[in-house]
Amino acid sequence: DVKVTQSSRYLVKRTGEKVFLECVQDMDHENMFWYRQDPGLGLRLIYFSYDVKMKEKGDIPEGYSVSREKKERFSLILESASTNQTSMYLCASSSLAREDGELFFGEGSRLTVL
Amino acid sequence: ELKVEQNPLFLSMQEGKNYTIYCNYSTTSDRLYWYRQDPGKSLESLFVLLSNGAVKQEGRLMASLDTKARLSTLHITAAVHDLSATYFCAVGMYNNNDMRFGAGTRLTVKP
Repeated sequence: DVKVTQSSRYLVKRTGEKVFLECVQDMDHENMFWYRQDPGLGLRLIYFSYDVKMKEKGDIPEGYSVSREKKERFSLILESASTNQTSMYLCASSSLAREDGELFFGEGSRLTVL
Repeated sequence: ELKVEQNPLFLSMQEGKNYTIYCNYSTTSDRLYWYRQDPGKSLESLFVLLSNGAVKQEGRLMASLDTKARLSTLHITAAVHDLSATYFCAVGMYNNNDMRFGAGTRLTVKP
């Protein structure tokens, strides 16, 4: 089974702090994604990466950056956390070899910014 | 820009009843996904629909896709409490770099 692991399930940070959210997948997937989930808004794409060191902006990249130094790992960085970044963050991966393009999700990281 | 609308957003139903969740999308797409999310959990894949007229069934859930109408439905038959969850549809394009999610339908099944 595909496993997508997010390092932190719950985080509480203060405004202005730098925050790292880590995501690791173990199935050699090319594509990796970061979404944030807010009630009534569904999932919104922040950034995605289709290869090592490659990244593309999603719908809401402002205030975020990403890093993909190794194929299995995709990090989301909040340079200076703000209260409006309090949310659930979901990492996902997918394989180009699969025709259906199905996404596999991690358990999520719930971030609270005070 | 691809937009995805789900309705209803909230659904409370009695056990044993049938109901349908609708997912409309705004532009041509070649794939449609349904996911389930339990409270505090991540998203679990239910169905992947890849062609017009595709129909898939698993237990009490059946999903269909009409690409001409840009509509997918998730039909619930004889609901049971275990189906209580939030259901998301998602519409993707080739390589899924432009996948969009609906807002989700929060389903509560009451005894």
